Amino acid sequence: SAVISQKPSRDICQRGTSLTIQCQVDSQVTMMFWYRQQPGQSLTLIATANQGSEATYESGFVIDKFPISRPNLTFSTLTVSNMSPEDSSIYLCSVPQGRRYNEQFFGPGTRLTVL
Amino acid sequence: RKEVEQDPGPFNVPEGATVAFNCTYSNSASQSFFWYRQDCRKEPKLLMSVYSSGNEDGRFTAQLNRASQYISLLIRDSKLSDSATYLCVVNVREYGNKLVFGAGTILRVKS
Repeated sequence: SAVISQKPSRDICQRGTSLTIQCQVDSQVTMMFWYRQQPGQSLTLIATANQGSEATYESGFVIDKFPISRPNLTFSTLTVSNMSPEDSSIYLCSVPQGRRYNEQFFGPGTRLTVL
Repeated sequence: RKEVEQDPGPFNVPEGATVAFNCTYSNSASQSFFWYRQDCRKEPKLLMSVYSSGNEDGRFTAQLNRASQYISLLIRDSKLSDSATYLCVVNVREYGNKLVFGAGTILRVKS
């Protein structure tokens, strides 16, 4: 399976600031996904990052709050803008691996705490 | 109603026990099914894809019942290292590659 890394692994940020999270994959992939896992909750998809086109956002998530870049087939960034304590979560990127069953593999996550 | 529902547990079992987790999904257009395992403060890791005919991988057996929209995971001869949260995950055809996650079932295996 692909090797996925994320930076930073964790951060503590002040309210009103922004943080950009990087996701790097060791192989080329068409789609990359960004998820959020709030404390004690399961994963929720934020958006799908497609190379060469705008990201596709899920209901409840907007580009102004979570801008995404996808400059090439191995890299993506997610920015959490104008942060509030409610944005404290783990943010994970994932990539599809299986052709038949749509398996996804996850990066190690970025643990964000907003004060 | 949640799209994917699981009993949150926790399931507290002794080493060597057999434990079963159940999961129901609401969208009949669901096409792919998975069990992921998530350890504390770690990312989810794929445990098994669930095939229509059911499948087994060592101590783990997964089954799918499309008519009842129900997925199960059976763990035999539980080990301490099996302690984790088990996530039931569904892919819905109309959503493209979107995965929908259940809230997870906590398993604690004790000596």
